[in-house]
Amino acid sequence: DTGVSQDPRHKITKRGQNVTFRCDPISEHNRLYWYRQTLGQGPEFLTYFQNEAQLEKSRLLSDRFSAERPKGSFSTLEIQRTEQGDSAMYLCASSLSSKKLFFGSGTQLSVL
Amino acid sequence: EDQVTQSPEALRLQEGESSSLNCSYTVSGLRGLFWYRQDPGKGPEFLFTLYSAGEEKEKERLKATLTKKESFLHITAPKPEDSATYLCAVQAGSGGSNYKLTFGKGTLLTVNP
Repeated sequence: DTGVSQDPRHKITKRGQNVTFRCDPISEHNRLYWYRQTLGQGPEFLTYFQNEAQLEKSRLLSDRFSAERPKGSFSTLEIQRTEQGDSAMYLCASSLSSKKLFFGSGTQLSVL
Repeated sequence: EDQVTQSPEALRLQEGESSSLNCSYTVSGLRGLFWYRQDPGKGPEFLFTLYSAGEEKEKERLKATLTKKESFLHITAPKPEDSATYLCAVQAGSGGSNYKLTFGKGTLLTVNP
Protein backbone atom coordinates (compact mmCIF):
# COMPACT_ATOMS: atom_id res chain seq x y z
CA ASP A 1 0.00 0.00 0.00
CA THR A 2 1.79 3.14 -1.21
CA GLY A 3 0.36 6.09 0.68
CA VAL A 4 1.21 9.76 0.35
CA SER A 5 4.96 10.25 0.47
CA GLN A 6 6.70 13.45 1.56
CA ASP A 7 10.35 14.36 1.35
CA PRO A 8 12.32 15.35 3.33
CA ARG A 9 10.85 14.34 6.70
CA HIS A 10 12.84 17.03 8.46
CA LYS A 11 14.49 20.22 7.25
CA ILE A 12 16.59 22.65 9.26
CA THR A 13 17.49 25.89 7.56
CA LYS A 14 18.76 29.34 8.37
CA ARG A 15 16.58 32.39 8.10
CA GLY A 16 16.66 33.84 4.61
CA GLN A 17 17.35 30.55 2.83
CA ASN A 18 15.03 28.96 0.29
CA VAL A 19 13.58 25.50 0.87
CA THR A 20 11.59 23.10 -1.31
CA PHE A 21 9.46 20.16 -0.22
CA ARG A 22 8.14 17.35 -2.38
CA CYS A 23 4.91 15.39 -2.17
CA ASP A 24 4.09 12.20 -4.09
CA PRO A 25 0.35 11.51 -3.84
CA ILE A 26 -1.39 8.17 -4.11
CA SER A 27 -1.06 7.37 -7.80
CA GLU A 28 -4.69 7.47 -8.93
CA HIS A 29 -5.60 10.57 -6.88
CA ASN A 30 -6.24 13.68 -8.95
CA ARG A 31 -6.68 16.07 -6.00
CA LEU A 32 -3.76 17.31 -3.93
CA TYR A 33 -3.70 19.61 -0.92
CA TRP A 34 -1.08 21.33 1.21
CA TYR A 35 -1.72 22.11 4.87
CA ARG A 36 0.46 23.62 7.58
CA GLN A 37 0.36 22.62 11.25
CA THR A 38 2.03 24.28 14.22
CA LEU A 39 2.37 22.79 17.69
CA GLY A 40 -0.94 22.49 19.51
CA GLN A 41 -2.98 23.54 16.48
CA GLY A 42 -4.94 21.68 13.85
CA PRO A 43 -3.79 21.69 10.23
CA GLU A 44 -4.52 24.88 8.25
CA PHE A 45 -5.33 24.81 4.56
CA LEU A 46 -2.72 26.33 2.25
CA THR A 47 -3.50 25.36 -1.33
CA TYR A 48 -5.38 22.89 -3.56
CA PHE A 49 -4.70 21.31 -6.94
CA GLN A 50 -7.05 19.41 -9.17
CA ASN A 51 -4.81 17.60 -11.62
CA GLU A 52 -2.19 20.23 -12.56
CA ALA A 53 -4.41 23.26 -11.94
CA GLN A 54 -3.95 25.20 -8.70
CA LEU A 55 -7.54 26.14 -7.87
CA GLU A 56 -7.12 27.95 -4.58
CA LYS A 57 -4.45 29.57 -2.44
CA SER A 58 -5.14 30.53 1.15
CA ARG A 59 -4.39 34.07 2.25
CA LEU A 60 -1.98 32.35 4.67
CA LEU A 61 0.23 31.72 1.65
CA SER A 62 2.33 34.86 1.23
CA ASP A 63 4.17 35.72 -1.99
CA ARG A 64 7.20 33.88 -0.62
CA PHE A 65 5.34 30.59 -1.00
CA SER A 66 4.80 28.87 -4.33
CA ALA A 67 3.42 25.46 -5.14
CA GLU A 68 3.41 23.51 -8.37
CA ARG A 69 2.07 20.23 -9.63
CA PRO A 70 3.55 19.60 -13.06
CA LYS A 71 1.58 17.13 -15.18
CA GLY A 72 -0.76 16.48 -12.30
CA SER A 73 1.60 14.07 -10.57
CA PHE A 74 3.93 15.02 -7.71
CA SER A 75 3.85 18.48 -6.15
CA THR A 76 6.46 20.83 -4.75
CA LEU A 77 6.10 23.59 -2.19
CA GLU A 78 8.82 26.22 -2.16
CA ILE A 79 9.38 28.83 0.51
CA GLN A 80 11.69 31.69 -0.40
CA ARG A 81 13.56 33.82 2.13
CA THR A 82 12.42 31.71 5.06
CA GLU A 83 11.43 33.38 8.32
CA GLN A 84 11.26 31.93 11.83
CA GLY A 85 7.47 32.08 11.65
CA ASP A 86 7.57 29.57 8.80
CA SER A 87 8.64 26.84 11.25
CA ALA A 88 5.88 24.23 11.16
CA MET A 89 4.90 20.80 9.90
CA TYR A 90 3.95 20.96 6.21
CA LEU A 91 1.42 18.27 5.37
CA CYS A 92 0.41 17.04 1.95
CA ALA A 93 -2.82 15.15 1.32
CA SER A 94 -4.41 13.58 -1.74
CA SER A 95 -7.84 12.27 -2.64
CA LEU A 96 -10.04 10.97 -5.44
CA SER A 97 -13.02 12.96 -4.24
CA SER A 98 -13.44 15.54 -1.52
CA LYS A 99 -14.86 12.97 0.85
CA LYS A 100 -11.74 11.29 2.18
CA LEU A 101 -8.30 12.88 2.31
CA PHE A 102 -5.18 10.79 2.88
CA PHE A 103 -2.34 12.64 4.56
CA GLY A 104 1.38 12.05 4.34
CA SER A 105 3.68 12.09 7.36
CA GLY A 106 4.68 15.69 6.72
CA THR A 107 7.88 17.70 6.48
CA GLN A 108 8.94 19.30 9.75
CA LEU A 109 10.60 22.65 8.99
CA SER A 110 12.76 24.43 11.54
CA VAL A 111 14.04 27.92 10.66
CA LEU A 112 16.92 29.06 12.84
CA GLU B 1 -16.21 31.85 8.61
CA ASP B 2 -16.24 28.15 9.45
CA GLN B 3 -15.25 27.35 13.03
CA VAL B 4 -14.51 24.13 14.90
CA THR B 5 -14.06 23.90 18.67
CA GLN B 6 -12.92 20.69 20.32
CA SER B 7 -13.17 19.85 24.00
CA PRO B 8 -11.55 18.94 26.21
CA GLU B 9 -8.09 20.00 25.04
CA ALA B 10 -6.61 17.02 26.88
CA LEU B 11 -8.11 13.93 28.44
CA ARG B 12 -6.44 11.34 30.58
CA LEU B 13 -8.19 7.98 31.04
CA GLN B 14 -7.44 4.69 32.70
CA GLU B 15 -7.50 1.64 30.48
CA GLY B 16 -11.11 0.50 30.17
CA GLU B 17 -12.59 3.85 31.25
CA SER B 18 -15.02 4.93 28.52
CA SER B 19 -15.49 8.60 27.63
CA SER B 20 -16.44 11.03 24.85
CA LEU B 21 -14.73 13.81 22.93
CA ASN B 22 -16.74 16.78 21.70
CA CYS B 23 -16.54 18.75 18.46
CA SER B 24 -18.75 21.84 18.11
CA TYR B 25 -18.93 23.49 14.71
CA THR B 26 -20.27 26.51 12.85
CA VAL B 27 -20.33 26.12 9.09
CA SER B 28 -22.24 27.43 6.09
CA GLY B 29 -23.96 24.28 4.94
CA LEU B 30 -22.21 21.20 6.26
CA ARG B 31 -20.94 18.96 3.49
CA GLY B 32 -19.11 16.57 5.80
CA LEU B 33 -17.62 16.25 9.28
CA PHE B 34 -14.38 14.33 9.55
CA TRP B 35 -12.56 12.66 12.43
CA TYR B 36 -8.84 11.98 12.19
CA ARG B 37 -6.33 10.43 14.57
CA GLN B 38 -2.81 11.88 14.73
CA ASP B 39 0.18 10.24 16.39
CA PRO B 40 3.22 12.36 17.35
CA GLY B 41 5.37 13.27 14.35
CA LYS B 42 2.92 11.80 11.85
CA GLY B 43 0.19 13.04 9.57
CA PRO B 44 -3.51 12.68 10.41
CA GLU B 45 -5.02 9.25 9.82
CA PHE B 46 -8.60 9.12 8.54
CA LEU B 47 -11.21 7.62 10.87
CA PHE B 48 -14.74 8.67 9.83
CA THR B 49 -16.80 11.01 7.68
CA LEU B 50 -20.33 11.91 8.80
CA TYR B 51 -22.71 13.70 6.45
CA SER B 52 -26.04 14.33 8.17
CA ALA B 53 -27.51 14.76 11.64
CA GLY B 54 -28.34 11.44 13.26
CA GLU B 55 -25.66 9.54 11.41
CA GLU B 56 -23.39 7.21 13.39
CA LYS B 57 -20.26 5.28 12.40
CA GLU B 58 -18.22 2.75 14.33
CA LYS B 59 -14.74 1.33 14.10
CA GLU B 60 -13.44 -1.01 16.80
CA ARG B 61 -13.66 0.92 20.10
CA LEU B 62 -14.62 4.22 18.43
CA LYS B 63 -18.08 5.50 17.58
CA ALA B 64 -18.77 8.88 15.99
CA THR B 65 -22.14 10.62 16.09
CA LEU B 66 -23.41 13.84 14.53
CA THR B 67 -26.04 16.44 15.41
CA LYS B 68 -26.78 19.76 13.74
CA LYS B 69 -24.31 21.58 15.96
CA GLU B 70 -21.80 19.05 17.22
CA SER B 71 -20.21 15.66 16.89
CA PHE B 72 -19.07 13.23 19.54
CA LEU B 73 -16.36 10.62 19.38
CA HIS B 74 -17.16 7.93 21.93
CA ILE B 75 -14.33 5.68 23.08
CA THR B 76 -15.42 2.45 24.70
CA ALA B 77 -13.02 0.56 26.99
CA PRO B 78 -9.95 2.34 25.62
CA LYS B 79 -6.51 0.76 25.48
CA PRO B 80 -3.11 2.47 25.76
CA GLU B 81 -2.69 2.20 21.97
CA ASP B 82 -5.67 4.55 21.57
CA SER B 83 -3.50 7.35 22.95
CA ALA B 84 -3.22 10.04 20.26
CA THR B 85 -4.54 13.45 19.27
CA TYR B 86 -8.02 13.26 17.78
CA LEU B 87 -8.84 15.95 15.23
CA CYS B 88 -12.24 17.04 14.04
CA ALA B 89 -12.70 18.91 10.74
CA VAL B 90 -15.63 20.29 8.75
CA GLN B 91 -16.12 20.75 5.06
CA ALA B 92 -18.54 23.45 3.95
CA GLY B 93 -21.04 22.72 1.23
CA SER B 94 -21.81 26.28 0.11
CA GLY B 95 -19.44 28.53 -1.76
CA GLY B 96 -16.64 27.48 -4.04
CA SER B 97 -14.30 25.91 -1.51
CA ASN B 98 -16.22 22.71 -0.87
CA TYR B 99 -13.02 20.63 -0.75
CA LYS B 100 -11.27 22.54 2.06
CA LEU B 101 -11.21 21.12 5.58
CA THR B 102 -11.31 23.44 8.61
CA PHE B 103 -9.79 21.67 11.59
CA GLY B 104 -10.17 22.11 15.32
CA LYS B 105 -7.15 22.13 17.60
CA GLY B 106 -7.66 18.54 18.61
CA THR B 107 -8.04 16.59 21.85
CA LEU B 108 -4.93 14.91 23.23
CA LEU B 109 -6.02 11.57 24.63
CA THR B 110 -3.78 9.63 27.00
CA VAL B 111 -4.83 6.16 28.13
CA ASN B 112 -2.88 4.80 31.08
CA PRO B 113 -2.48 1.03 31.58
